[in-house]
Amino acid sequence: GAGVSQSPSNKVTEKGKDVELRCDPISGHTALYWYRQSLGQGLEFLIYFQGNSAPDKSGLPSDRFSAERTGGSVSTLTIQRTQQEDSAVYLCASSRYGQDDGYTFGSGTRLTVV
Amino acid sequence: KQEVTQIPAALSVPEGENLVLNCSFTDSAIYNLQWFRQDPGKGLTSLLLIQSSQREQTSGRLNASLDKSSGRSTLYIAASQPGDSATYLCAVRPAAAGNKLTFGGGTRVLVKP
Repeated sequence: GAGVSQSPSNKVTEKGKDVELRCDPISGHTALYWYRQSLGQGLEFLIYFQGNSAPDKSGLPSDRFSAERTGGSVSTLTIQRTQQEDSAVYLCASSRYGQDDGYTFGSGTRLTVV
Repeated sequence: KQEVTQIPAALSVPEGENLVLNCSFTDSAIYNLQWFRQDPGKGLTSLLLIQSSQREQTSGRLNASLDKSSGRSTLYIAASQPGDSATYLCAVRPAAAGNKLTFGGGTRVLVKP
């Protein structure tokens, strides 16, 4: 596609429920990244995919968070048993691995846990 | 561990003034540095990308410089307009293996008409 697409754009969920956030990167971009931006905070790295593998998942805050990528394309970030502190904007970005063109970000998913 | 700092955290200027936004980083072993703009409630829009071998990049009213040895980058916005009001973020990509960007905390800019 022309840009990085994220869905849903907004998600309100009850504490304790599971949520899935989706990211569709730019076609041909082999690298995909998830970041989190909490209210008033900076961007926090969560996980990086190269193809379908995740060589760096050091930013996942707990074992309630997991992510997968299939077909070297779409990625899903899953948060189990959501907590109020999970409320944030979740941003996805993609880039062409090894190229010098930087990251392209999606518009994000605003998650609110009530 | 790479740390990226942006000063000031917030900036308010009258329309027409030039904007100067600063970004500093602690580890000079970077691959590139990218400046982004973020409007409230939106994602990040890439403004300029400077490779480690470059000294500056320009796009329209925007100019970004990079001094890798001193760990600094500056984003200049000429003749500011109210539409330039946004948060500006810089991010560095490490030269070492791995691709994740490290972000600064951002500078929130308000251009008053």
